[in-house]
Amino acid sequence: GAGVSQTPSNKVTEKGKYVELRCDPISGHTALYWYRQSLGQGPEFLIYFQGTGAADDSGLPNDRFFAVRPEGSVSTLKIQRTERGDSAVYLCASSLNGEDTQYFGPGTRLTVL
Amino acid sequence: DAKTTQPPSMDCAEGRAANLPCNHSTISGNEYVYWYRQIHSQGPQYIIHGLKNNETNEMASLIITEDRKSSTLILPHATLRDTAVYYCIVRQGGSEKLVFGKGTKLTVNP
Repeated sequence: GAGVSQTPSNKVTEKGKYVELRCDPISGHTALYWYRQSLGQGPEFLIYFQGTGAADDSGLPNDRFFAVRPEGSVSTLKIQRTERGDSAVYLCASSLNGEDTQYFGPGTRLTVL
Repeated sequence: DAKTTQPPSMDCAEGRAANLPCNHSTISGNEYVYWYRQIHSQGPQYIIHGLKNNETNEMASLIITEDRKSSTLILPHATLRDTAVYYCIVRQGGSEKLVFGKGTKLTVNP
């Protein structure tokens, strides 16, 4: 079946701009996660949704970062006033429930100039 | 912080078994050992996980020591497409997030 999909695959923006990154989880998966991966590092947890609600947003670095999942399926990660340090690959994963194996999408490469 | 220690890099000849070690000396009784791999420019791919017993699936085998302080991921017949960074992750039962370290970069040579 279809895996986790993320759009766009690449996003280039200028410092100070607003960006939205989209994640489509595997159908039927109630849990959705966002991670961020900087060059040469492993992925770092940002936020976890169970259904429509953010169950754990402890990994969001500051209040410029926000994520929503209004209907419990697709999620959007929103970054305001982007900074060059936000440049990274943003990964989305989903699982059947919060304790099950997580399956990752291909990621969105964000470049802030 | 990651609760695992892995060698930064390893090499393996094509067709031979690749044995990737992982130390997790502070693992608790309800924590699982997960392995993912990440091929260049792709998202992490789930490989296998286990709690106490050894596990095998179509991709790999996972050997966990009796004291659970270390484990080994075995790719029985490595191919060039197995070249990737392999992450060993200790995940608490009921915990949602994965905590990645830097992993082991495995290079399979022809």
